[in-house]
Amino acid sequence: EDQVTQSPEALRLQEGESSSLNCSYTVSGLRGLFWYRQDPGKGPEFLFTLYSAGEEKEKERLKATLTKKESFLHITAPKPEDSATYLCAVQAAGTYKYIFGTGTRLKVLA
Amino acid sequence: DAGVIQSPRHEVTEMGQEVTLRCKPISGHNSLFWYRQTMMRGLELLIYFNNNVPIDDSGMPEDRFSAKMPNASFSTLKIQPSEPRDSAVYFCASSLLSRGLDRGRLGEQYFGPGTRLTVT
Repeated sequence: EDQVTQSPEALRLQEGESSSLNCSYTVSGLRGLFWYRQDPGKGPEFLFTLYSAGEEKEKERLKATLTKKESFLHITAPKPEDSATYLCAVQAAGTYKYIFGTGTRLKVLA
Repeated sequence: DAGVIQSPRHEVTEMGQEVTLRCKPISGHNSLFWYRQTMMRGLELLIYFNNNVPIDDSGMPEDRFSAKMPNASFSTLKIQPSEPRDSAVYFCASSLLSRGLDRGRLGEQYFGPGTRLTVT
């Protein structure tokens, strides 16, 4: 069964304290892995798409990487405005839908 | 573009009433998704349309739920009759499904602001 697991469930960081969020997946052929950010009361906001192992994408303080079994979202020198829930989703081969993980709730303290 | 538009933003109704949620996808997108989000179950896909045709409705929980997409710019999700366990945030998302060399590859999905449904 196709599955996506995110860890940790929640993470508290001090401003400037870098860390990484994990997304482990088990799918029968990966067509794409997606990272989203969700703020309270809002819809998920697209961050990155990764298609192949070894691929990396960067945006400001965020960097996403992909291996054959997992993806990491690295946050460098985070700021309080980076506080949000970060969601990972995968598209499996032969399907036309995302499978979402349950997310990591990130809190960055000033 | 205004992004994906959903209405209403909040809906409070009594058990047994009919509820209709509305969505306008991003112009030019050919795929539309309805999701439900709860604390317990996270984001669940309810139904997926491609070119206005329902492709996968395996996530629709019961016959009380129905969805339509009469044209490329409008979709509805209807619950009749509604029950307290239907209380959740319902999201609509749209995307562009690749047809060329990347055929079958889903692009990024763009989500609307959601409708918070409370059934009492």
